[in-house]
Amino acid sequence: KQEVTQIPAALSVPEGENLVLNCSFTDSAIYNLQWFRQDPGKGLTSLLLIQSSQREQTSGRLNASLDKSSGRSTLYIAASQPGDSATYLCAVSNNNDMRFGAGTRLTVKP
Amino acid sequence: NAGVTQTPKFQVLKTGQSMTLQCAQDMNHEYMSWYRQDPGMGLRLIHYSVGAGITDQGEVPNGYNVSRSTTEDFPLRLLSAAPSQTSVYFCASSTIQGYDYNSPLHFGNGTRLTVT
Repeated sequence: KQEVTQIPAALSVPEGENLVLNCSFTDSAIYNLQWFRQDPGKGLTSLLLIQSSQREQTSGRLNASLDKSSGRSTLYIAASQPGDSATYLCAVSNNNDMRFGAGTRLTVKP
Repeated sequence: NAGVTQTPKFQVLKTGQSMTLQCAQDMNHEYMSWYRQDPGMGLRLIHYSVGAGITDQGEVPNGYNVSRSTTEDFPLRLLSAAPSQTSVYFCASSTIQGYDYNSPLHFGNGTRLTVT
C-alpha cells in the first residue's frame, strides 16, 4: 500500500527566505506526483505536476523535483512571501488511485 | 466557467439520516472523484468515475454510494450517517487524454459535514 509522508508538519519562516518542503512515498511505481496548495476553508489548487518520466517542474518561484528511485520529492519556494502562507500537500498517482500526504502548514512572517 | 461546484458548504446530520452531497463541473472532464479530509490524515479517496455510467471504489468506500449519469454531475450519497463520517468532503475532476492521467486535479471548495 502506498504511503505518503510530509515533513515537517508545520514550518514558520521570515519573509524572503528560500525554503524546501519534503515529500516521501513508499512505492516508486507512480504515474505522477502533484503538489497542491490549500488555503483555510478552501479546496486544493494544483501547483505543479511531475510525470514519472520527468525530474522536475518549475512555475515562477516554485520548483518541484522528483526522485522515483529514492521515493522523494521536494518543493522549493524561492524568496517566500506572506501570501505563500498555506498548507502544501503532495500526492502520488497510479492512474486512478491518488494518495495524499497530510501536508505541511507554512507560515511566512512579514 | 465555474470549475467544480459543491453543495452544500455545511451540513449537520443526525446518526442514521441519509443525504446527498452534490458535485458538478463545467469543464467536460471525464474523471471525477470524491475525497474526505480528516485532521492529520490527508485526503483519502472514497469513489471515482472515469466517465458517465462508470464508477469504482477508492480507499474508503464503505457507507457511501455514487452514480454518474452525466459527464457534469457526480453526487455522493451517505446511506445512514455515522459520527465517523464527520469530515470535510472534496470533489475533484480532471481530463483523461486516452490513457494519460497526467492532468492536474481541479477541486471544489468542500462540504463540511458534522454527524451528531
